[in-house]
Amino acid sequence: KAGVTQTPRYLIKTRGQQVTLSCSPISGHRSVSWYQQTPGQGLQFLFEYFSETQRNKGNFPGRFSGRQFSNSRSEMNVSTLELGDSALYLCASSPGFSSEKLFFGSGTQLSVL
Amino acid sequence: GESVGLHLPTLSVQEGDNSIINCAYSNSASDYFIWYKQESGKGPQFIIDIRSNMDKRQGQRVTVLLNKTVKHLSLQIAATQPGDSAVYFCAEILDSSYKLIFGSGTRLLVRP
Repeated sequence: KAGVTQTPRYLIKTRGQQVTLSCSPISGHRSVSWYQQTPGQGLQFLFEYFSETQRNKGNFPGRFSGRQFSNSRSEMNVSTLELGDSALYLCASSPGFSSEKLFFGSGTQLSVL
Repeated sequence: GESVGLHLPTLSVQEGDNSIINCAYSNSASDYFIWYKQESGKGPQFIIDIRSNMDKRQGQRVTVLLNKTVKHLSLQIAATQPGDSAVYFCAEILDSSYKLIFGSGTRLLVRP
C-alpha cells in the first residue's frame, strides 16, 4: 500500500500571499488530519476531516482552512501568509475511528519570506 | 523534518545499551497513547501504542510503560542501534476527539 502523499514537498511564499497544500491518504482511509510543526511550538493539531466533514478543529486563526473531497484527498489553505506561518505541515490519515494510530506523510516545508 | 527540535532535550546513549525516553502527558481522561519516531526530513513514524486499560506493552525491541497515577509514559528501546537516532514524540488521544496531542519530543543520539 502506498503511504500518505503530500505535495509539494517544499514551498516558498512571501507575506500576504496564500497557499494550498495537498494530501492523499492511504487507500481506504477516510480520515485526514493536518498538523503544524515548528521548533518553538512543536506539533500542533490544525483540523481533522472524515467523509468530507470537519470533525475537530485546533486553535488556529480563520486564515487556516481545509477541505476533504469525496475520494478522501484533502487540501489545506492558508491565506494572507505571515512570517510565523513558516513551518512543516504534516498530513496524517487513519481509517476514521477514534483512538487509533495515525500514519503521517513526509510533510510540506513552507517558508514565508 | 528539517525544522524539528532545535532546542529539544537530548538523550545520548552508547550503541548496544538500552534507552529510556520519558514523557508526561497532560490529560487524565486520555485513553490512548502512541510513540512516534521522526527522522530528519520525514514525518512521524508509528512505533508502538498502548491503551489506558494497560500498563505495559511490548513490541520488537521496544516496550511502552504507562503510569496513569502520575500521568507518565515511557519508551524503552533495547540494544539501541545507530538507526534509532531520531526525535521521539509521545502523543495522547482523548476518546472521540480525533486529534493527537503531542509531547515536546526527545532527541536520541546513539554513539558508535
